[in-house]
Amino acid sequence: DAMVIQNPRYQVTQFGKPVTLSCSQTLNHNVMYWYQQKSSQAPKLLFHYYDKDFNNEADTPDNFQSRRPNTSFCFLDIRSPGLGDAAMYLCATSSPGRMDGYTFGSGTRLTVV
Amino acid sequence: RKEVEQDPGPFNVPEGATVAFNCTYSNSASQSFFWYRQDCRKEPKLLMSVYSSGNEDGRFTAQLNRASQYISLLIRDSKLSDSATYLCVVIGGGGSNYKLTFGKGTLLTVNP
Repeated sequence: DAMVIQNPRYQVTQFGKPVTLSCSQTLNHNVMYWYQQKSSQAPKLLFHYYDKDFNNEADTPDNFQSRRPNTSFCFLDIRSPGLGDAAMYLCATSSPGRMDGYTFGSGTRLTVV
Repeated sequence: RKEVEQDPGPFNVPEGATVAFNCTYSNSASQSFFWYRQDCRKEPKLLMSVYSSGNEDGRFTAQLNRASQYISLLIRDSKLSDSATYLCVVIGGGGSNYKLTFGKGTLLTVNP
């Protein structure tokens, strides 16, 4: 089935050690998003790519970077994870104007030790 | 004022009860509206879109009042399996017609 796949499902990283989360999609959607969701909070948009165009939210810390080497893949890089970065990271895709809407991956739960 | 605000909850109801969730949004230019459901430690999943005319899907009814910038979700005959967090989601306004903005969510627990 066409879907959005996030790897790994669970990630443990050390304080300050760079970590990369990955997302892939088979839907050929134009837009890929990264959301951060902390416990009991709403998902918060970090950034998104519309095709190759990168769009950063104004309040996304510089510690968070993203890459989209092709239509199918998008990566979230956390350069120096802090304890406060422990969260669920959700990847989503969409194609404005298409009826199949938004699709979320199953998320990566990041623990910082 | 937050872009999307929801009832803080949590809601604890018995099986068979009717429960209503409310949501308001601040950007009058918002274009599309949804209710998502999120189970514990899982990703959000689309429950239903919300239209100005109101729409119903089985036990679920969604309403939109653009004048009041208000969205609601009604669940009738609650089931144990309805226990989840319900997220109000808005698209559009603020220069984007495709970014999702989430409310904080309202936790529902349906008890036997």
